[in-house]
Order: sequence, then structure tokens, then C-alpha cells
Amino acid sequence: GAGVSQTPSNKVTEKGKYVELRCDPISGHTALYWYRQSLGQGPEFLIYFQGTGAADDSGLPNDRFFAVRPEGSVSTLKIQRTERGDSAVYLCASSSIAGPYNEQFFGPGTRLTVL
Amino acid sequence: GQQVMQIPQYQHVQEGEDFTTYCNSSTTLSNIQWYKQRPGGHPVFLIQLVKSGEVKKQKRLTFQFGEAKKNSSLHITATQTTDVGTYFCAGGGNKLVFGAGTILRVKS
Repeated sequence: GAGVSQTPSNKVTEKGKYVELRCDPISGHTALYWYRQSLGQGPEFLIYFQGTGAADDSGLPNDRFFAVRPEGSVSTLKIQRTERGDSAVYLCASSSIAGPYNEQFFGPGTRLTVL
Repeated sequence: GQQVMQIPQYQHVQEGEDFTTYCNSSTTLSNIQWYKQRPGGHPVFLIQLVKSGEVKKQKRLTFQFGEAKKNSSLHITATQTTDVGTYFCAGGGNKLVFGAGTILRVKS
């Protein structure tokens, strides 16, 4: 595709429910990143993948958060037992390869609201 | 952990005036990237600085990386309404550490 796509664009759920957020990176990009952005803040790193494996998941806030990328392309961020504090915009980004000097291309984000 | 701070938090300028945002890291950076996020949009990469003391220009935008590689600045000359948005600096390599951003508003 032309850019990074994310679905859904908006997700409203109730406290305690399970949600899945999907990211489709730019075709051919091997590195994929998830960030979370709260209002008035910069994006906060959650996890990144190089290929199918999670290379660094140190930003995941707790074990309710999990992400997969089984075929090295599409990734799903999974949040169990959602809490109101999980409400934020979840951003996905991709780059051609992982590395500190590579530009990251961001998707439009999924706005998650936990009631 | 690494922290990146940006000032000012917010700036409202008259069209045609200059604008500068400053970024400071708690640790030495290997590189720094700048992103722009329009209202309701997502971050878009502007530029990357790698070398100590590096200065890069993109039309009316000038980016600087400090000698100690712990600070950076973005200067916009003669702002236009199209410059409106939030400007973020980010360091840290793969796991980018973003500053809180500087919101720029331009009065026409």
C-alpha cells in the first residue's frame, strides 16, 4: 500500500473488555513499531519488531499488553482487561529496516476510548 | 531512562514572524529526528541530524544539533499558516523517545 494503515480508526470499549488493534505496514518494510500517544504528549514507545520477532518490548506498560507479527508483515496489538487509563491514540510506524538512523513512517492511528 | 524535553510548550506567532523550538536530552544522543504533526494527524518525519554541531536547512526550516549531541533546535523563518502543527524532537534510535512537542499556532 501507499502508507501505513491502521484499523479500526476509532474503538470504543468498556472497562474490562479485550481489544485488538491492527497495523498494516508499508510493503517491504521489515521493522514495525507501536507507540501510544496521550493528549498533549509525544508518542511513547511500546514495542518494535524486526521481522516476526519482538526485538524490544520494554515499553509495554504491563502484561495486559501483547503484540504479534506472525508473518513479518501485519501486526496486532492486543490489550486485555482494558482500563480507562488505556485510552489514547495507538500509533503504528514502519521503516525499511530496524536501525537508529532510519526514518519511521507513521500510520493514522487508532483512537481507543475505554469507558 | 532517557528523557527528552522541549520548550516552549506552546507558541502563537503572527504570520511572517520567526519561530524556534528547543530540545534537550538527559543523555548524549547518537542522532536526533524531528517530526511534525498537523492537528488531527500523525507524526511525519522532517529530518535527522547525526553529527555533532550539524546544521541542516529545508527551505525556511533550519535544524541544529548541539556540539555535545544533547540538544537541538528547529527554527522557522517567516512562518506561514501551513506551518501550524506540533513539532516533536525524538532521540534514542529504534525506540524513539519523543519530547512533549511544541504547538505552533500562526495568526494570519
